[in-house]
Amino acid sequence: AQSVTQLDSQVPVFEEAPVELRCNYSSSVSVYLFWYVQYPNQGLQLLLKYLSGSTLVKGINGFEAEFNKSQTSFHLRKPSVHISDTAEYFCAVGDTGRRALTFGSGTRLQVQP
Amino acid sequence: DAMVIQNPRYQVTQFGKPVTLSCSQTLNHNVMYWYQQKSSQAPKLLFHYYDKDFNNEADTPDNFQSRRPNTSFCFLDIRSPGLGDAAMYLCATSRESGGQRFFGPGTRLTVL
Repeated sequence: AQSVTQLDSQVPVFEEAPVELRCNYSSSVSVYLFWYVQYPNQGLQLLLKYLSGSTLVKGINGFEAEFNKSQTSFHLRKPSVHISDTAEYFCAVGDTGRRALTFGSGTRLQVQP
Repeated sequence: DAMVIQNPRYQVTQFGKPVTLSCSQTLNHNVMYWYQQKSSQAPKLLFHYYDKDFNNEADTPDNFQSRRPNTSFCFLDIRSPGLGDAAMYLCATSRESGGQRFFGPGTRLTVL
């Protein structure tokens, strides 16, 4: 079985400050890892994904994440946030064997002026 | 642009009145998924199709059914909606199992 833990339900941050959204996972098999963003009343949009290869993954909107196998983490970072980054962020894990994608409970990023 | 389309974006139904939500895709993906997302919660997988192969999650209520008449379309039928079924319903696709999901904009269902 797989599980995903997003340690922070809400992260308030000032505009132009750096941010890190934490994600830890557990799985007994090799995984794919994803970060999605969801704006109010919209579907989920993929920010970035780790399938294999380089552990530092760059995504859209200036976000990046680092896969750390030993710590089973996939934290999301951005060096300087904008007001428009205010949204809900979901970490998700999938594996090649199952067809399900397990989501974390989400982290609400609130960027303040 | 290739995409996942959900209609309608907002749906209001009465308690116990059947409702159907629709999803279509122009990506020609093999897999289509339906997720339920309640307020401030993570999306929860209800079921998915791999081609015509239907896969129901163990805890999906019998009240929820799905149809996939062809590659492009997938429907979610709620036979007798209850107040607890009010949620955002997200359709997603992927080329293969375990692959990147492409999500539609969702349908927000209100049950009166």
